[in-house]
Amino acid sequence: NAGVMQNPRHLVRRRGQEARLRCSPMKGHSHVYWYRQLPEEGLKFMVYLQKENIIDESGMPKERFSAEFPKEGPSILRIQQVVRGDSAAYFCASLGLAGDNEQFFGPGTRLTVL
Amino acid sequence: AQSVSQHNHHVILSEAASLELGCNYSYGGTVNLFWYVQYPGQHLQLLLKYFSGDPLVKGIKGFEAEFIKSKFSFNLRKPSVQWSDTAEYFCAVSPLSGTYKYIFGTGTRLKVLA
Repeated sequence: NAGVMQNPRHLVRRRGQEARLRCSPMKGHSHVYWYRQLPEEGLKFMVYLQKENIIDESGMPKERFSAEFPKEGPSILRIQQVVRGDSAAYFCASLGLAGDNEQFFGPGTRLTVL
Repeated sequence: AQSVSQHNHHVILSEAASLELGCNYSYGGTVNLFWYVQYPGQHLQLLLKYFSGDPLVKGIKGFEAEFIKSKFSFNLRKPSVQWSDTAEYFCAVSPLSGTYKYIFGTGTRLKVLA
């Protein structure tokens, strides 16, 4: 059974560039959560998506960040015009059914902004 | 606002010492509770979870946790730590309403001296 996959595992960008982070949920899972872990901090919720719908984006910065989970393909977290403060580990987690409530985490993408 | 507190930010123990890490949350409704471990440079690994039933739950690697509803606590314990337990430990709470997002504590860095 393939778990949650994220790629790339490491991403280096210069200030002003765009970063695209991908998350493939576990097979059969249609709910995806994105979390961000800033250095020396715990994980903070960013956004919750179901297929083709953003359900809760209350943790997303208002500008430069967007997320999608298309009908086909992985979920994408997109950061435009990255700044040094975006350097962090970004984790996604997937859920099969809302009632299960155990999220399965991917290995994360470590973004470094130079 | 919902929050999770881990009061011990850094803990240093000698091998064979007993461990207890505190976790308190603020939320009046029903929750699921989790403890995760993150080894240096690695992703989150689930140690144990509480959904319902016996409030004393046993997890992997000899860890256990006790849910005390009246105290809104879910402390993690291990009778005898090993050097390989050196890692960061995160408590997470998921309210059983809304979007089931996880709320993480800020983590506790454990260092076990050989």
